[in-house]
Amino acid sequence: QSVLTQPPSVSAAPGQKVTISCSGSSSNIGSNYVSWYQQLPGTAPKLLIYDNNERPSGIPDRFSGSKSGTSATLGITGLQTGDEADYYCGTWDSRLSVVMFGGGTKLTVL
Amino acid sequence: EVQLLESGGGLVQPGGSLRLSCAASGFTFSSYAMTWVRQAPGKGLEWVSAVSGSSGTSTYYTDSVKGRFTISRGISEDTLYLQMNSLRVEDTAIYYCAKGPPNYYGSGSSGWTRFDPWGQGTLVTVSS
Repeated sequence: QSVLTQPPSVSAAPGQKVTISCSGSSSNIGSNYVSWYQQLPGTAPKLLIYDNNERPSGIPDRFSGSKSGTSATLGITGLQTGDEADYYCGTWDSRLSVVMFGGGTKLTVL
Repeated sequence: EVQLLESGGGLVQPGGSLRLSCAASGFTFSSYAMTWVRQAPGKGLEWVSAVSGSSGTSTYYTDSVKGRFTISRGISEDTLYLQMNSLRVEDTAIYYCAKGPPNYYGSGSSGWTRFDPWGQGTLVTVSS
């Protein structure tokens, strides 16, 4: 069971917007940066967002990140069928000195 | 282009050992932290271990592998290692290495999940 809580699945129609939440505590999300990863079927994870809301080069601005208190959110606009994937949040836990991942959210583009 | 190539996975019996390698190229290896993350079949991501940049003096492990796994950086080669001893059935997974944040983030700090890119992974199967 993951310490960071994500919804198991979300869905939306092509062209629509979806948000994925990630809930933690004061020792992890509450005091550290959050990253988000996309894992397409059968491939390695890819970094989408780091430091709460920064995008690596090559990641389109359809992907955005935000953080408030002990929760973080990934937003995806203009959904495409190619966005169907598993999405994971991750952060450092200052009390335990470990990296934590959320359990993952499966995005279905209907 | 940054590239990470894992090797060393395979089938091993419970209690056995394996050494995973991750050959890095396309960046200044010593300037970045490095990490190992695993994924059991059909499951989510599980962080395993991380090492700081430069000489890799700071190392971190998830509780389930402490005392059994050792992460290290090559001294003269741009390679990350994971020595895995006393392997258990529950260690069965694809093991990914990833480039971590640059050294200016500090060791074991906020931002230590800036893992980019990831290798293609190597499969470790622990079974009798």
